[in-house]
Amino acid sequence: DAKTTQPPSMDCAEGRAANLPCNHSTISGNEYVYWYRQIHSQGPQYIIHGLKNNETNEMASLIITEDRKSSTLILPHATLRDTAVYYCIVRGFIQGAQKLVFGQGTRLTINP
Amino acid sequence: ETGVTQTPRHLVMGMTNKKSLKCEQHLGHNAMYWYKQSAKKPLELMFVYNFKEQTENNSVPSRFSPECPNSSHLFLHLHTLQPEDSALYLCASSQDPAGLMNTEAFFGQGTRLTVV
Repeated sequence: DAKTTQPPSMDCAEGRAANLPCNHSTISGNEYVYWYRQIHSQGPQYIIHGLKNNETNEMASLIITEDRKSSTLILPHATLRDTAVYYCIVRGFIQGAQKLVFGQGTRLTINP
Repeated sequence: ETGVTQTPRHLVMGMTNKKSLKCEQHLGHNAMYWYKQSAKKPLELMFVYNFKEQTENNSVPSRFSPECPNSSHLFLHLHTLQPEDSALYLCASSQDPAGLMNTEAFFGQGTRLTVV
């Protein structure tokens, strides 16, 4: 399983863009990058995923470098409710089922 | 509401008790997962089931016994647990990714387990 590296914590002011980096230098060509977040004591919530191209949905944007060794999750206008632990995951497979191995993640704090 | 329901939400049990955690999904997913999250630690994948067959047992002690009677239900049977087993136990489900572009996993709210 490809390993990811994220900063343990980040702060961002409310209303500003939050940019969360992730390194995944051992990713292989057909592996997707997924982002989830976990708000305190709740189950993780899917945010976005990508393979090669940049992606955007109603929650966030995902920028993947051309060599695919790193990516950045962008929350364009952070709110206090975006305070959570954000996980960057390289999705693996185990006999047909996807395998999500979570690392330490980045604890993002949005400040008023 | 994610479509994955876990019961109970909270459980306190003694070290000699036997209890079971239940997870239910009606999303039509074929894969189900158990994760353990201890305090201030990342989620640890425990078991993976695909089409009711166990495909991963991540070196979990035998005092944790999973059961998957059908693709919609997943149980985690607990017996003779230790205090260090106290944690948040999370269930998730996902669809077989073969041929699909997006196979996000849906997580339940978890069962907060305390072993005394």
